[in-house]
Amino acid sequence: GQNIDQPTEMTATEGAIVQINCTYQTSGFNGLFWYQQHAGEAPTFLSYNVLDGLEEKGRFSSFLSRSKGYSYLLLKELQMKDSASYLCAVTDSNYQLIWGAGTKLIIKP
Amino acid sequence: DADVTQTPRNRITKTGKRIMLECSQTKGHDRMYWYRQDPGLGLRLIYYSFDVKDINKGEISDGYSVSRQAQAKFSLSLESAIPNQTALYFCATSDLMEDTGELFFGEGSRLTVL
Repeated sequence: GQNIDQPTEMTATEGAIVQINCTYQTSGFNGLFWYQQHAGEAPTFLSYNVLDGLEEKGRFSSFLSRSKGYSYLLLKELQMKDSASYLCAVTDSNYQLIWGAGTKLIIKP
Repeated sequence: DADVTQTPRNRITKTGKRIMLECSQTKGHDRMYWYRQDPGLGLRLIYYSFDVKDINKGEISDGYSVSRQAQAKFSLSLESAIPNQTALYFCATSDLMEDTGELFFGEGSRLTVL
């Protein structure tokens, strides 16, 4: 079966750095997404990785290792508004999106 | 105004009732999707449509039907609602010409079936 694993919940401190991991087992791979979802709101796109390596976008970076079936989202200089769920999703060989259950990130002052 | 609009945003109904959730978009995208989200689970695809004449079942289509009335409109129906269809429902769109397949979501429709 196809599976996306990410921690259910993480806590971090304002101003710090946090890394959210995602591992996947899918039938093929055609890209990995990270979305941010504030409580009760729609998911919004953060990043897309299709090749190995690090993609940096401001305070957020996303890393991919296809050989290890692994990605992480790195958030720097955490702000209270970063409190949200972070969803990892993989596009499989049929271009279907497989979603993880999301990681709820709690930021404390 | 939102590019992807869902109505209603909240609905409480009773078991056995017919419910329709509507989605309209101004992004000009050909591809539209309906997902449901439950606590502790990932988003699950109900139906998707790549153009007006194309309708495809997702992983959890049982108990649901859809209609693509126009490029901009995609509605989801529950013919006879049951309590385990209580969930947050999202409509999404994507651009055929966009390599990544990034999804643009509506604000969600929270459905409660009593």
